[in-house]
Amino acid sequence: QLQLQESGPGLVKPSETLSLSCTVSGGSISGSRYYWGWIRQPPGKGLEWIGSMYYSGSTYYNPSLKSRVTISVDTSKTQFSLKLSSVTAADTAVYYCARQLATVTTSDYWGQGTLVTVSS
Amino acid sequence: QSALTQPASVSGSPGQSIAISCTGTSSDVGGYNYVSWYQQHPGKAPKLMIYDVSNRPSGVSNRFSGSKSGNTASLTISGLQAEDEADYYCNSYTSSSSVVFGGGTKLTVL
Repeated sequence: QLQLQESGPGLVKPSETLSLSCTVSGGSISGSRYYWGWIRQPPGKGLEWIGSMYYSGSTYYNPSLKSRVTISVDTSKTQFSLKLSSVTAADTAVYYCARQLATVTTSDYWGQGTLVTVSS
Repeated sequence: QSALTQPASVSGSPGQSIAISCTGTSSDVGGYNYVSWYQQHPGKAPKLMIYDVSNRPSGVSNRFSGSKSGNTASLTISGLQAEDEADYYCNSYTSSSSVVFGGGTKLTVL
């Protein structure tokens, strides 16, 4: 059974870079036909797609976040990561990692989510 | 890109059927058959219920169905049950090669 688990700091200071990792177990990131993506949800609000990465390294980002986002795969091929620069309080959210089918709209496996708070 | 439009809330009694709409534009919902629906219970990760407009993943009850007409997609839940009470989100692929979500709909089972 595929499992995803987010990890990273729960508190980030304004203007700094938010860094999260997603560890994939029960399956491999490399050599697969899936996308691997990040989705966030501010407290009490709706879902927002951040971006997705194909196993080969191709990336697709939310246009509103594109200038600040980087999604990449770890050389161990069992983790992928999210970096979001110049964060503000508006970036406070629960961040989810997910496996996505060829159409990146379809996230069939999700991590449990991790709350990241941006505050000094 | 603007969020897809969903009703803030819908409600129904056990056993009834309800539908949740998801309205976009010809650049997203209307232009592609790539609409998914997710169910989210409080404090939990979203769960995929419908993908590619009307396909149901293995393990999802056949009480859930999806459809699309023009720029509006719909999720229908038949035979409402108490455990269906949750937030529901739609999303769509867009002409910008990105993904946009709806604002979410809170379903109350009376």
